[in-house]
Amino acid sequence: DTEVTQTPKHLVMGMTNKKSLKCEQHMGHRAMYWYKQKAKKPPELMFVYSYEKLSINESVPSRFSPECPNSSLLNLHLHALQPEDSALYLCASSQGYLGLAGGRDNEQFFGPGTRLTVL
Amino acid sequence: DAKTTQPNSMESNEEEPVHLPCNHSTISGTDYIHWYRQLPSQGPEYVIHGLTSNVNNRMASLAIAEDRKSSTLILHRATLRDAAVYYCILRGYAGKSTFGDGTTLTVKP
Repeated sequence: DTEVTQTPKHLVMGMTNKKSLKCEQHMGHRAMYWYKQKAKKPPELMFVYSYEKLSINESVPSRFSPECPNSSLLNLHLHALQPEDSALYLCASSQGYLGLAGGRDNEQFFGPGTRLTVL
Repeated sequence: DAKTTQPNSMESNEEEPVHLPCNHSTISGTDYIHWYRQLPSQGPEYVIHGLTSNVNNRMASLAIAEDRKSSTLILHRATLRDAAVYYCILRGYAGKSTFGDGTTLTVKP
């Protein structure tokens, strides 16, 4: 199974709502990532988890709260978002994370994304 | 972080080779060059990566300049399924990688 799944596919929420995005992989990967992608722009890294610990937070506002309950699951909790947060949110995983990037261990497998609209 | 520069768009005819260039003049000695592509309505997918030597796999070839300040992704025979945004990425020891703006490849039948 080389698939990363993300739910929901689409999400519409108001600025006062609380919602969560979910990402799952069963490849035994120990690194998981959240990216944000605006229309016609490249993905921007938000968070990296390595062995279920937060390794990188790219100065993301606190209204985005990541969680990694176990090695297969990654959540992104959303609260008090703004309309400009509307985007495609991509999850990815890789076998490894730190160290030399030459091996296929660092190949990232991406999910199809969650299309988020904030009204 | 090191930056990559790619043309915004390129066109190719089906069944012909495609050469997608990438400039990365600020590359460091430990940065690997990765290429991913993103098909419409999908997440990015891995294409190929390399350090100094040219690399081949079933999807593509990667030609790296001797000074490593540029590289070229080569699709040997473009198909309509290869129409996508192609991203050239530098990935360093800390594992962090930054996507460039990407090249939108259009393949004409």
